[in-house]
Amino acid sequence: GAGVSQSPRYKVAKRGQDVALRCDPISGHVSLFWYQQALGQGPEFLTYFQNEAQLDKSGLPSDRFFAERPEGSVSTLKIQRTQQEDSAVYLCASSLVVGGLAKETQYFGPGTRLLVL
Amino acid sequence: KQEVTQIPAALSVPEGENLVLNCSFTDSAIYNLQWFRQDPGKGLTSLLLIQSSQREQTSGRLNASLDKSSGRSTLYIAASQPGDSATYLCAVMPFKAAGNKLTFGGGTRVLVKP
Repeated sequence: GAGVSQSPRYKVAKRGQDVALRCDPISGHVSLFWYQQALGQGPEFLTYFQNEAQLDKSGLPSDRFFAERPEGSVSTLKIQRTQQEDSAVYLCASSLVVGGLAKETQYFGPGTRLLVL
Repeated sequence: KQEVTQIPAALSVPEGENLVLNCSFTDSAIYNLQWFRQDPGKGLTSLLLIQSSQREQTSGRLNASLDKSSGRSTLYIAASQPGDSATYLCAVMPFKAAGNKLTFGGGTRVLVKP
């Protein structure tokens, strides 16, 4: 596709509900990243995939957060039993891998704005 | 742990004035540094990427400098326009081969008044 797409763009959930956020990376991009951006702050890293392998999940704030990329393209970030502190914009980014290192420019999607009431 | 700080948090200038945005980072072992623009409700758009071996990058009215030893980068925007109003974020990529997550600063919110 032309860019990274994310859906839904907005999600309102009641506290305790489970939510699933989808990311479609740029075609051919091996690397995929999830970031969480709280209001008025910079994005913070959550997790990273290279193809279908989740190589780094050090940023996931709790075991309620789970991400997958089963076929190495589309990724889903799932949040179980949502809490009010989970309210944020969730950004997805993808990039190429050159020489085995995913250090090229990351292209970001528009984000999913999650509001937990 | 890498920490990235952007000062000021907000900036308001009249149209035509030059903008100077500052970014500092605590760990100089970086692979590259990027400047992004974020418009309200939108994702991030990459403006400039500076490799650790470079001192500066230029694109149109934008110029970014990097002083790795002092842990600083500056983004200059010449002759600002109302369309430059946005939040500007800097982010560093670690040098270590296994690390590829960007660490962001908190951003500088810019308003250019016509």
